[in-house]
Amino acid sequence: DSGVTQTPKHLITATGQRVTLRCSPRSGDLSVYWYQQSLDQGLQFLIQYYNGEERAKGNILERFSAQQFPDLHSELNLSSLELGDSALYFCASSETGRDSPLHFGNGTRLTVT
Amino acid sequence: AQKVTQAQTEISVVEKEDVTLDCVYETRDTTYYLFWYKQPPSGELVFLIRRNSFDEQNEISGRYSWNFQKSTSSFNFTITASQVVDSAVYFCALSEAWNTNAGKSTFGDGTTLTVKP
Repeated sequence: DSGVTQTPKHLITATGQRVTLRCSPRSGDLSVYWYQQSLDQGLQFLIQYYNGEERAKGNILERFSAQQFPDLHSELNLSSLELGDSALYFCASSETGRDSPLHFGNGTRLTVT
Repeated sequence: AQKVTQAQTEISVVEKEDVTLDCVYETRDTTYYLFWYKQPPSGELVFLIRRNSFDEQNEISGRYSWNFQKSTSSFNFTITASQVVDSAVYFCALSEAWNTNAGKSTFGDGTTLTVKP
């Protein structure tokens, strides 16, 4: 058990809809990361937050947004969903940004129909 | 820009065989960090090892060993006497050293290892 909690485990929704994925990091970890894993693009870094502030941004679409709250949990919001957004979304946390290993949650499998 | 290449998409071995998973990376940073992660069929990603760019010492942990060679920008992973439970997708990752609190790990495409009984 990594200590990172992601909810929900599975999400099925229709195109055009909006969903929110939730992540609680390991106790004591200030950094939260979001990754998207799809069959054709592997593990893609989306965004990182550190203690409530955005610190690094990757290949995150404008339709996607995230935030980290004062209690350090994070939410990833996906809107105007398209079929191609179907993927496994992982949240990870770490102690600091660059040299600490990532501890991943079990992921949220999003299916857009 | 940094890049991680895992040229072996799939590897299949028979139990008790040794297997090496290759990882080649590209970065302009002089300080960087390399990682290996394992993703078993159950789907979770599990951290295996970290190596920083200043530490070229090889590491052994049980049946696992890692060979870091800065001269060839490689960080290869060897499993000795493989077991069925080693069947998983293995990812190599590279972390940029932007600053203390910002980090972005770039992952390779992964190598799917199948160990047959």
